[in-house]
Amino acid sequence: GQQLNQSPQSMFIQEGEDVSMNCTSSSIFNTWLWYKQDPGEGPVLLIALYKAGELTSNGRLTAQFGITRKDSFLNISASIPSDVGIYFCADQYSGGGADGLTFGKGTHLIIQP
Amino acid sequence: DAGITQSPRHKVTETGTPVTLRCHQTENHRYMYWYRQDPGHGLRLIHYSYGVKDTDKGEVSDGYSVSRSKTEDFLLTLESATSSQTSVYFCAITGTTRTGELFFGEGSRLTVL
Repeated sequence: GQQLNQSPQSMFIQEGEDVSMNCTSSSIFNTWLWYKQDPGEGPVLLIALYKAGELTSNGRLTAQFGITRKDSFLNISASIPSDVGIYFCADQYSGGGADGLTFGKGTHLIIQP
Repeated sequence: DAGITQSPRHKVTETGTPVTLRCHQTENHRYMYWYRQDPGHGLRLIHYSYGVKDTDKGEVSDGYSVSRSKTEDFLLTLESATSSQTSVYFCAITGTTRTGELFFGEGSRLTVL
C-alpha cells in the first residue's frame, strides 16, 4: 500500500518560533491533507490540497502540494502553546476515497516555555 | 463538533475475552471508519463501511470484525482480544469522499492484559 514518510518525528521549539514539517511518498498523490490531533482527542482537518503546486493558508498555517505530486510541507508561523499536538499528513487510499485515508506516522510538536 | 460518540471510552480486559466498541453518529453520514492509533505507527485503518450492511477490510483487519445494521451505528468486535490489540481506537465519519475530510470521535482506549 501507499506509504507516507513524515519528518521530523518530533520537534521541540520555543514559543514564537516558526515550524516546518514535510511529508513524502514514493507514489504520486492526487490530494494532500494535513490533520492535527490535540492531546486526548481525535484528529481534525487543518488544510486540504487538491492540485500540484497549490499553496494554501489557514491563519498561521501554510501548506503546499509539491510539483512532483510526491511531497507536501506544512509551515506554522509564530508558534503558540495551543499549537502543541501531533500533525499528520494523509491521502486517500488508491481506491478513490470510500476506503478511507492513509496517514503518515505524525510529527509531534512540543513547545517549550 | 460532529455528532460522533464512541463507547466505551476506556476499557481494560483480559486476553481471550470478546470486546465490542461502538461508534454512534447523529449526522446521517454514509461512510464510517475504524482506525487504531499506536506509537510509531500513526493511524491505521481497520475496517470501513460505505452503507448499511456494506463493509470492507482495511490495512490491519486481522482479528477484528465489524457490523453496521443501522446508518448511525458501526460496531467493532474483537472476538478474542490479544495484547497486541491494546491501542486507542478511533471512529471516523464522512458524508462525502471527495474532500478527504473525516470527522473523528474522541477515541476508545483499550488495554488487553
